Amino acid sequence: DIQMTQSPSSLSASVGDRVTITCRASQDISSYLNWYQQRPGRAPKLLIYTASTLQSGVDSRFSGSGSGTDFTLAISSLQPEDFATYYCQQTDSFPLTFGGGTKVEIK
Amino acid sequence: QVQLVESGGGVVQPGRSLRLSCAASGFTFSSYSMHWVRQAPGKGLEWVALISYDGTNKYFADSVKGRFTISRDNSKSTLYLQMNSLRADDTAVFYCARDPSRFGDYGYADYWGQGTLVTVSS
Repeated sequence: DIQMTQSPSSLSASVGDRVTITCRASQDISSYLNWYQQRPGRAPKLLIYTASTLQSGVDSRFSGSGSGTDFTLAISSLQPEDFATYYCQQTDSFPLTFGGGTKVEIK
Repeated sequence: QVQLVESGGGVVQPGRSLRLSCAASGFTFSSYSMHWVRQAPGKGLEWVALISYDGTNKYFADSVKGRFTISRDNSKSTLYLQMNSLRADDTAVFYCARDPSRFGDYGYADYWGQGTLVTVSS
C-alpha cells in the first residue's frame, strides 16, 4: 500500500498569511494526488484533484503543485473560513490512501 | 443539486452486522462510481470501498476486506455497505461519496454525504 505523509500535522497562522502544507508519497504516484478540506463537524470538501486542478467553485487562493512523490497545497491569503483540517489522498492505485491530516489553527 | 444521505448507523455489538444505505439524488446515479470513506472519532479519513457505476468492479481497504461488502441498486439510486463481524475499531462516521468517473479510475470524491455514525460496543 502507498503511504501518505503530511507535514506539519498542525500549524498556527493569522488571517492573511500564506500557508503551505506538504504531502509525501511512499512511491511515485505521478500526479494522482488530491486535496480535501474538512471543517469541524462537516463532511470533507474536494479542493484540488490531480495535483493542481482546482475543483469547480473553489476559491483561487488555493493552489496545488508537485508530482512524483512530493506535493504542496498552498493557501495564498488565509481567510477565517480556511481554519480547518486538510487531507491529501493518492489515487494512483488501490487501496486508496489519505494522509494523516494537517490542522490549520488561528494564531 | 447533488445530495447524498446516509442512514443505518447506530450502536451494534462486536461480531454483529449492520447495513448502511446512501440515498442519492440530483444526478444520474447509475453513471457514477461511488465510495465509502470512514472517520474514527478524532481521527483522520480512511477510504473503505469503491464500486463502479454498474456494480461490476469493487475495491476494498485491507482493513475491511472479507468483512464488508459494497453494493448498489441503480433503480433506487441507493448505495449500500454491508458490514459483518464488526469490531470496536470499526467505530466511525461513515461517509458515502461520489466519484466523477464510471469505473473509479479518477478515485477522488467530488460530493459527500453528511455521514452516519457507527458505534461498535458491548
